[in-house]
Amino acid sequence: EAQVTQNPRYLITVTGKKLTVTCSQNMNHEYMSWYRQDPGLGLRQIYYSMNVEVTDKGDVPEGYKVSRKEKRNFPLILESPSPNQTSLYFCASSLSPLDLETQYFGPGTRLLVL
Amino acid sequence: EDQVTQSPEALRLQEGESSSLNCSYTVSGLRGLFWYRQDPGKGPEFLFTLYSAGEEKEKERLKATLTKKESFLHITAPKPEDSATYLCAVQALSGGYNKLIFGAGTRLAVHP
Repeated sequence: EAQVTQNPRYLITVTGKKLTVTCSQNMNHEYMSWYRQDPGLGLRQIYYSMNVEVTDKGDVPEGYKVSRKEKRNFPLILESPSPNQTSLYFCASSLSPLDLETQYFGPGTRLLVL
Repeated sequence: EDQVTQSPEALRLQEGESSSLNCSYTVSGLRGLFWYRQDPGKGPEFLFTLYSAGEEKEKERLKATLTKKESFLHITAPKPEDSATYLCAVQALSGGYNKLIFGAGTRLAVHP
């Protein structure tokens, strides 16, 4: 079954404690993205990756890092989380940035930073 | 500035009561308009892509239409299982790459 998986699904942490949210896809997709979803704002892109070792900033990259060492995995790293990073996070993948009809979203990770 | 606005924020319908959701946009370099369905606790699920004004697409009780400034998602004789948040997004060429710009969504509740 084609899918994007994220872990953990729910996370409560404290300010400043480094965390990583994992994302993995099984569709051999080249293009992967991270979004955050906040009430009244819609989904906003944090970072994206065209392929292995190629990543770039989206619209709201401050406070986040990513890496793409393998094609299937695209972890999101919060080095020093702050309360304004409390949000619902989605990982997504597609064949390419031009084939967004093929984009699959993960189930989401709900993060609370105290 | 590229922007996508959805209305209403929330809509409550009785089963069988048809209605429409609106997505208006201002974007340069439009490459496509996407509709997604999002259920609680899940990621967005792709419904339709529209590429040019006048285009229409249908899926079961849903029909999406596109003009130069807005898109409508028409829901005909909705059922309770159509309850979800419906997201609209435009694909635009911005800063040298393709990106999706999302609206905030319309929460639809269909009651028996």
